[in-house]
Amino acid sequence: GESVGLHLPTLSVQEGDNSIINCAYSNSASDYFIWYKQESGKGPQFIIDIRSNMDKRQGQRVTVLLNKTVKHLSLQIAATQPGDSAVYFCAENAGGTSYGKLTFGQGTILTVHP
Amino acid sequence: GAVVSQHPSWVICKSGTSVKIECRSLDFQATTMFWYRQFPKQSLMLMATSNEGSKATYEQGVEKDKFLINHASLTLSTLTVTSAHPEDSSFYICSIGGRGSEAFFGQGTRLTVV
Repeated sequence: GESVGLHLPTLSVQEGDNSIINCAYSNSASDYFIWYKQESGKGPQFIIDIRSNMDKRQGQRVTVLLNKTVKHLSLQIAATQPGDSAVYFCAENAGGTSYGKLTFGQGTILTVHP
Repeated sequence: GAVVSQHPSWVICKSGTSVKIECRSLDFQATTMFWYRQFPKQSLMLMATSNEGSKATYEQGVEKDKFLINHASLTLSTLTVTSAHPEDSSFYICSIGGRGSEAFFGQGTRLTVV
């Protein structure tokens, strides 16, 4: 199914805090999930990905958690910095013939206050 | 990751005219490219899949006669918005699929129809 965002939810945090951004995905057949960061006027920038055979993956200051039972994905950002302020999108891919084709979640606006 | 370049970054056109947007894969031969549209404060919505040497595949609700896609080479796909109207004003973003289902995005094109 399609995920359509009409008005993006927002998350405001203080610099240095940890941020958690959540996403519900729709297609139980999706086997690959990605988090993207999008700054104003720019294209999405890859942050971290996870495959459906995993439930957790860590990167630099970021962790993605996948709960396939409830079709939920989260992005944790440690020690959030003002430069992390952006819109964050989760995206899913069903693999197979839809290689590279993504369905995006609604997105969350993250604002980090100094 | 692959480098994707879009041109122009922004364009203003008069209602009724056509606008062409280019998407180039600079370091990767892409048999498939994807075109997305993003309205303000909303998520990315897939418009069509551009296939090198063959017809594009359009998502439901996207008019193929209005949004013409040409993918004549492994490094270039073009999207032409024909007879543009103010409601076509949006942020258009292309992507190419990577080797592991991930997608790499261009910087986007802001289209304003006046």
